[in-house]
Amino acid sequence: QKEVEQDPGPLSVPEGAIVSLNCTYSNSAFQYFMWYRQYSRKGPELLMYTYSSGNKEDGRFTAQVDKSSKYISLFIRDSQPSDSATYLCATYTGGFKTIFGAGTRLFVKA
Amino acid sequence: GAGVSQTPSNKVTEKGKYVELRCDPISGHTALYWYRQSLGQGPEFLIYFQGTGAADDSGLPNDRFFAVRPEGSVSTLKIQRTERGDSAVYLCASSRLLPGTAGGDTQYFGPGTRLTVL
Repeated sequence: QKEVEQDPGPLSVPEGAIVSLNCTYSNSAFQYFMWYRQYSRKGPELLMYTYSSGNKEDGRFTAQVDKSSKYISLFIRDSQPSDSATYLCATYTGGFKTIFGAGTRLFVKA
Repeated sequence: GAGVSQTPSNKVTEKGKYVELRCDPISGHTALYWYRQSLGQGPEFLIYFQGTGAADDSGLPNDRFFAVRPEGSVSTLKIQRTERGDSAVYLCASSRLLPGTAGGDTQYFGPGTRLTVL
């Protein structure tokens, strides 16, 4: 079992839709959870960062962590074609080794 | 300001050859990371430097892989006797603080070097 599981998609939605992206993880010791966005032929860029359980909102993006079910979510409201990218969830215990999911490819159609 | 840069952007080599991949981190960032990303997968941790020393090299797949950061800035990932399975995008990232500190630590990624071993 991988430490972080993520459905690779692809996920295709119309412009303006609400997008839900999800990951599960196996190690209850994980404390820090991140979402990265990666455009084609670019490096990942950090979108959202949360510590422990709860919600965090930043503009059109909301990150949720449910430690009881080891479930991580990213919601994108009013999705735009420019949101088309691969979204990677990631975590670490507080050390140096960041563990990434496989990434979900998102396509937002105009 | 300038971000993380990696050279070359593309490298094609033959099986058995030696390659070097270079990473220039953001100025002043003490932490530097190498990752490998295969097609359809997320980045896989290889090695982490704090300053000049490798604090964690547990992700290096075998002894054909080696990385250095002699002056605490530029880093080079070296791969000996390349194999077709080494084909991937090699990503470098740098950060200012130690991970796990208050507020966390943002890793800034370069665009990667796409390595193809024929």
